[in-house]
Amino acid sequence: EVRLVESGGGPVKPGESLRLSCEASGFSFSTFSMNWVRQAPGKGLEWVSSITSKSSFIYYTDSVKGRFTISRDNAKNSLYLQMDNLRVEDTAVFYCVRGFGNDGGDLWGQGTLVTVSS
Amino acid sequence: SYELTQPPSVSVSPGQTASITCSGDVLPDKYMYWYQQKPGQAPVMVIYKDSERPSGIPARFSGSTSGTTATLTINGVQAEDEADYYCQSAISRDIPVLFGGGTKLTVL
Repeated sequence: EVRLVESGGGPVKPGESLRLSCEASGFSFSTFSMNWVRQAPGKGLEWVSSITSKSSFIYYTDSVKGRFTISRDNAKNSLYLQMDNLRVEDTAVFYCVRGFGNDGGDLWGQGTLVTVSS
Repeated sequence: SYELTQPPSVSVSPGQTASITCSGDVLPDKYMYWYQQKPGQAPVMVIYKDSERPSGIPARFSGSTSGTTATLTINGVQAEDEADYYCQSAISRDIPVLFGGGTKLTVL
């Protein structure tokens, strides 16, 4: 079965760190660009970060630059998001998404909730 | 900054046609993508490359573009189509993904 499964979310305090993981299965993970997209409670979708298939190119939305780091391990079919210095406004469901090139975001995980609160 | 603008809400009766628009200055040069998100679920892509339909998406979903506006059209709306719909495009190399604010489709 083709799927993405996120993990690592949970409650943290402002200033703390969290590492999200996304495990891919059922497809050739190493040939796809991967992304993180988040959705704050009751709000719309927000792109967070993208990484190309061989990690050659990495991009971040401005609000997370310098605090979040995207990475991947193609041998483990896994995508990661290291989130440091978390803020209350980072509270959201974080989705792992395949693609977003010309074929769009064609596969989404179920999401993992990150709650930042004092 | 770049924006994709969608109406916050659209309402339609069952069996009628729903049209959801997305406007943005980058549109004449970029493909548009559309996603459906039902409550408590992850988004699902329903249109890619302006007007292509992924496998498994009903034929009542279609997409089109004209100038700086893209439109998602749902013909013969069904109750199960009630959801939030997001448009998405690529802006530049540094902004590979940009979403519209989303439109809540209500089936009356």
